[in-house]
Amino acid sequence: DAGVIQSPRHEVTEMGQEVTLRCKPISGHDYLFWYRQTMMRGLELLIYFNNNVPIDDSGMPEDRFSAKMPNASFSTLKIQPSEPRDSAVYFCASTPNARVEAFFGQGTRLTVV
Amino acid sequence: GENVEQHPSTLSVQEGDSAVIKCTYSDSASNYFPWYKQELGKGPQLIIDIRSNVGEKKDQRIAVTLNKTAKHFSLHITETQPEDSAVYFCAPMNTGFQKLVFGTGTRLLVSP
Repeated sequence: DAGVIQSPRHEVTEMGQEVTLRCKPISGHDYLFWYRQTMMRGLELLIYFNNNVPIDDSGMPEDRFSAKMPNASFSTLKIQPSEPRDSAVYFCASTPNARVEAFFGQGTRLTVV
Repeated sequence: GENVEQHPSTLSVQEGDSAVIKCTYSDSASNYFPWYKQELGKGPQLIIDIRSNVGEKKDQRIAVTLNKTAKHFSLHITETQPEDSAVYFCAPMNTGFQKLVFGTGTRLLVSP
């Protein structure tokens, strides 16, 4: 397996634009997590899914953020409209169950100017 | 929710020295205690974990110790090498809730 795949690796966008981040989890993994990493706030859990169903989205900062998982092999995190304070590295991770190792993607570095 | 703190936030050691990072958590129901290492430009990667029925686990130069009564667990790295330089995260978990939340992180710098 190629591991967790995220795209794009880098994204630069203007304030007010819509941004969509993509994640392909490892095949057979039932859990998918989205994180945001900044120097100030560390590694924050935004939302996680179990079997494509959102379980906990309490970490989503505000209504501008939304996440979907239409099937077991694909998830998106959308920010609309984007703001400069959304600039961060966004990670996706998957795990076969929550009691074992989580595998992370390489991350998407988002810059909103 | 789980309140997780790590100390110290930064740690500088000389090559060959030992390093210890402590993780304190609040949820007494936590029963799974992993440590992740994040190298520059990469996502975190599991390096060692321990479950609540074990007090200590060792894997070559790294070890994890758990004190459930005091609600903390620690990462020990012996004979540190420059490639150990990274950010380390703990992620204590109550597997009943299945929610993976990371600590504040510790930046370790090993100087040659």
